[in-house]
Amino acid sequence: DIVMTQSPDSLAVSLGERATINCKSSQSVLYSSDNKNYVAWYQQKPGQPPKLLIYWASTRESGVPDRFSGSGSGTDFTLTISSLQAEDVAVYYCQQYYNTPPAFGQGTKVGVK
Amino acid sequence: EEQLVESGGGLVQPGGSLRLSCAASGFTFSNYYMSWVRQAPGKGLEWVANIKKDGSEKYYVDSVKGRFTISRDNAKNSLFLQMNSLSAEDTAVYYCARDGGRSIGGSWYILWGQGTLVTVSS
Repeated sequence: DIVMTQSPDSLAVSLGERATINCKSSQSVLYSSDNKNYVAWYQQKPGQPPKLLIYWASTRESGVPDRFSGSGSGTDFTLTISSLQAEDVAVYYCQQYYNTPPAFGQGTKVGVK
Repeated sequence: EEQLVESGGGLVQPGGSLRLSCAASGFTFSNYYMSWVRQAPGKGLEWVANIKKDGSEKYYVDSVKGRFTISRDNAKNSLFLQMNSLSAEDTAVYYCARDGGRSIGGSWYILWGQGTLVTVSS
């Protein structure tokens, strides 16, 4: 099974500053046949279900602000919030869907410094 | 509006059973793989099971194999999770989730319900 490991577990960033979350998979999640990275990112606020932000490692879901961006390939991926807003305080999860069982990272809690 | 609404959660004793339901609306249910994802209190997300569009294929996380059964009724736009031999480790909010798209591998989850809490305790 593929294991997804996020870092850091938590971070505090000043409003308007950049937040960077890393996600590492235990094996490559890049399919050579379609050259796509099978990684998604979610945001979860307290008492709410997760919300999809990014899929295919870098494709932003419709309606997601462009301050959220995803990058990376193979085994190393990054979610970047370019300018943290108060409403971005949440836990963020990466997920691989390269194979079954799909796996989530342990989550990264983002707060305001 | 596309929507998923879970029901059936509650308090159950260890060794007991529970059947969760998920009612889908606002989209063509039979066109999508569906999944159950759970979240233990204060913990992260764990995929539990998924089922193919026509119900012909089902997959489970190892920890629930032989105890949980996922099923669907496309005529009633409903997804189910029958949970048997429950233990404290199964205590969690259970979310029903819809695939965003499916390619060679699996899929991300584009639509989630609000979740239903299952508590296993004596």
